[in-house]
Amino acid sequence: RKEVEQDPGPFNVPEGATVAFNCTYSNSASQSFFWYRQDCRKEPKLLMSVYSSGNEDGRFTAQLNRASQYISLLIRDSKLSDSATYLCAVNAGNNRKLIWGLGTSLAVNP
Amino acid sequence: GAVVSQHPSRVICKSGTSVKIECRSLDFQATTMFWYRQFPKQSLMLMATSNEGSKATYEQGVEKDKFLINHASLTLSTLTVTSAHPEDSSFYICSARAFERGASDTQYFGPGTRLTVL
Repeated sequence: RKEVEQDPGPFNVPEGATVAFNCTYSNSASQSFFWYRQDCRKEPKLLMSVYSSGNEDGRFTAQLNRASQYISLLIRDSKLSDSATYLCAVNAGNNRKLIWGLGTSLAVNP
Repeated sequence: GAVVSQHPSRVICKSGTSVKIECRSLDFQATTMFWYRQFPKQSLMLMATSNEGSKATYEQGVEKDKFLINHASLTLSTLTVTSAHPEDSSFYICSARAFERGASDTQYFGPGTRLTVL
């Protein structure tokens, strides 16, 4: 089993749709969780950290399920500009590195 | 805030030359920086963790004598690709961890360097 797994997609959704991605992780000792967004041929940019209580930032909601060891990202009212690859990252337990998923590709269509 | 710069943004060089890439944290101190490589349509691959004032920690399979890392100050880390070959052509991205900005594992990325070796 990979340490961090994501459905690669692509997810093709119309503008205004709600879309959700999951990311599973294998290390139960992980403490930090993140969603990053990466546009084609660009660097990843932090979208949001994921807290135990869940957190929301505008149209984006992130949640953590420790029992089932996954994090989720919900995007409401999708915009064309949301088209990108969404990477989840999980810290490697006591090691301060982040383990990265392969990314989920989202295409929002007009 | 949490801005990371990377220079150069693009390099085209001949096989056998060495290429130096700089990564700077502009508005925060970064005791730890990370160097990644990303091939087209693939995910980030961590090459090494760079710690200020000490030797870098390389991931398995990454040649430390080929990819030289120096982290001489709290705001600067450099990656030198020595004797570059066409198979080294890739997108090299650095990131920095900013302890003073909330979650200590948050990494902020530089814009990347696209290396093409002819």
